[in-house]
Amino acid sequence: DTGVSQNPRHKITKRGQNVTFRCDPISEHNRLYWYRQTLGQGPEFLTYFQNEAQLEKSRLLSDRFSAERPKGSFSTLEIQRTEQGDSAMYLCASTRTGTDEKLFFGSGTQLSVL
Amino acid sequence: QKEVEQDPGPLSVPEGAIVSLNCTYSNSAFQYFMWYRQYSRKGPELLMYTYSSGNKEDGRFTAQVDKSSKYISLFIRDSQPSDSATYLCAAKTGNQFYFGTGTSLTVIP
Repeated sequence: DTGVSQNPRHKITKRGQNVTFRCDPISEHNRLYWYRQTLGQGPEFLTYFQNEAQLEKSRLLSDRFSAERPKGSFSTLEIQRTEQGDSAMYLCASTRTGTDEKLFFGSGTQLSVL
Repeated sequence: QKEVEQDPGPLSVPEGAIVSLNCTYSNSAFQYFMWYRQYSRKGPELLMYTYSSGNKEDGRFTAQVDKSSKYISLFIRDSQPSDSATYLCAAKTGNQFYFGTGTSLTVIP
């Protein structure tokens, strides 16, 4: 069990650029979540997948954000036309349904938009 | 009103002290309750996980849930400088997890 892996750990980009983050969940976990966290706040839900199906997306999420989980394994989160307000830690978490459904987080990707 | 409310602190205690961290919640449908520890610039690490009301102990950590008052607590005994971190409470209903804002704890040697 290698844990949830996220890449890159840090990303610095200029406003207006597109960025993509990758998440590799724990291997037997079928449910994958993306969260955003800013300083002094708890994780804010963005979206989640069960296997390859995106089951829920936050109503507050801009359409500049899109996520995929093409084969039910790793997932990517893309932000198009980044804005300074997108600067945050992006966290991925995974769990396995039908068990205790404990949620395990990766180390996150810290995004800075200049 | 947020689903899970948590005093952000900061909280500063001397080494060896007993620490009490608390959250309240509003949704009666919450069944599972968690505490995460988060070090600076790292992802949250699951510390304690409880179902419904009651206590759960793991080493120096005790999690307590009182569903009648919608109150979640984490107690840390014999606190150590390595316990210095932000502690997040969380609750789950259905497929959704709801997090508090976190309490920053510093344990002074």
